[in-house]
Amino acid sequence: DAGITQSPRHKVTETGTPVTLRCHQTENHRYMYWYRQDPGHGLRLIHYSYGVKDTDKGEVSDGYSVSRSKTEDFLLTLESATSSQTSVYFCAISSGARLGAEAFFGQGTRLTVV
Amino acid sequence: DAKTTQPNSMESNEEEPVHLPCNHSTISGTDYIHWYRQLPSQGPEYVIHGLTSNVNNRMASLAIAEDRKSSTLILHRATLRDAAVYYCILRDGYNTDKLIFGTGTRLQVFP
Repeated sequence: DAGITQSPRHKVTETGTPVTLRCHQTENHRYMYWYRQDPGHGLRLIHYSYGVKDTDKGEVSDGYSVSRSKTEDFLLTLESATSSQTSVYFCAISSGARLGAEAFFGQGTRLTVV
Repeated sequence: DAKTTQPNSMESNEEEPVHLPCNHSTISGTDYIHWYRQLPSQGPEYVIHGLTSNVNNRMASLAIAEDRKSSTLILHRATLRDAAVYYCILRDGYNTDKLIFGTGTRLQVFP
């Protein structure tokens, strides 16, 4: 299994509080991604990173920020959590699409905002 | 980003072959065709990928149309464990690598 770890795995937080989710990899892959998945929906890309300090927005980036200060860690921050951000969050890593490299996914973080 | 179109759901009986179609009429020459699947309560997992030629691995086969505007994921003998949502994705091999998912095909496998 690819070395990718998400923490925490479960979190309940109150509306208006800041929340940070961590994705940690041991594969030295260049690309890292954050997705959210809501019931009955596929994965929607929030933000992704193509290198240290290099990030870009995905499909649903409003209300989220990210940081990548070192290769192995990609942090997703909800500055002020809202109930609409209750979801399962997945992190993924990849060495890149060149030559068709596959992506590996974490086990997910279930976040509940009450 | 080039889009893919998949049926919402498909059904199969156990031990029968399954052909999961994907249309990608706007595919570019540098797009790789990737397939992932997501088992219940798990993160997606890689199944197979290809560029122009058909591909086989221990999990499945990928048949790519000659014009590359469509592809088919083939599970040779479906098992109950293959019940999942299958996603067909295009990944640009030379430019951005956003890895955008569509809605996928939910495969049900009956005993």
